[in-house]
Amino acid sequence: DGGITQSPKYLFRKEGQNVTLSCEQNLNHDAMYWYRQDPGQGLRLIYYSQIVNDFQKGDIAEGYSVSREKKESFPLTVTSAQKNPTAFYLCASRTGQGSTNEKLFFGSGTQLSVL
Amino acid sequence: QKEVEQDPGPLSVPEGAIVSLNCTYSNSAFQYFMWYRQYSRKGPELLMYTYSSGNKEDGRFTAQVDKSSKYISLFIRDSQPSDSATYLCAMRTNGGDMRFGAGTRLTVKP
Repeated sequence: DGGITQSPKYLFRKEGQNVTLSCEQNLNHDAMYWYRQDPGQGLRLIYYSQIVNDFQKGDIAEGYSVSREKKESFPLTVTSAQKNPTAFYLCASRTGQGSTNEKLFFGSGTQLSVL
Repeated sequence: QKEVEQDPGPLSVPEGAIVSLNCTYSNSAFQYFMWYRQYSRKGPELLMYTYSSGNKEDGRFTAQVDKSSKYISLFIRDSQPSDSATYLCAMRTNGGDMRFGAGTRLTVKP
């Protein structure tokens, strides 16, 4: 089964703790994205990566870090510097750049809450 | 000013109505335009993809892009209760930077 998998589904963070959200895809997509969604709001871009070993900051990168050591994996670390991390986090990969097949495939999301 | 502006609604219409959803943007580097539909606490799903200015039709859905005005629209004809969801516009630069609007929450009442 091809797809994009996020884990865990629910995550709790204590004050001052770093936590890492996993995102794995077996779709052979080059581009991957992390978005944050707050209640009643759209998706805000945290980081994106067009290719292995390269990534770019989005609108709200402060307090977050990423790595892209493998094509299949794009983990997101929420650091203690992120003061308001409670949100729904969505990872996506993209196919078909610049063609009518272009599409983002989303994972099922991780709900992060602060204890 | 946000790069992508979308009226969050909520929008409530009777079944069978024509729905018009809109987004404006400020960054002329956006070249690719999409509409996604999201049901509560799920990942969004692609509805429409357009590249050039003009109209694109797919069943009851029509996407419209006006690059000169930096304005995109999605029209839903003969709306159904199953169309009730949040609709997000999205747009991408050549460099891969992909941004979403705030999403418009639509309810279609039987």
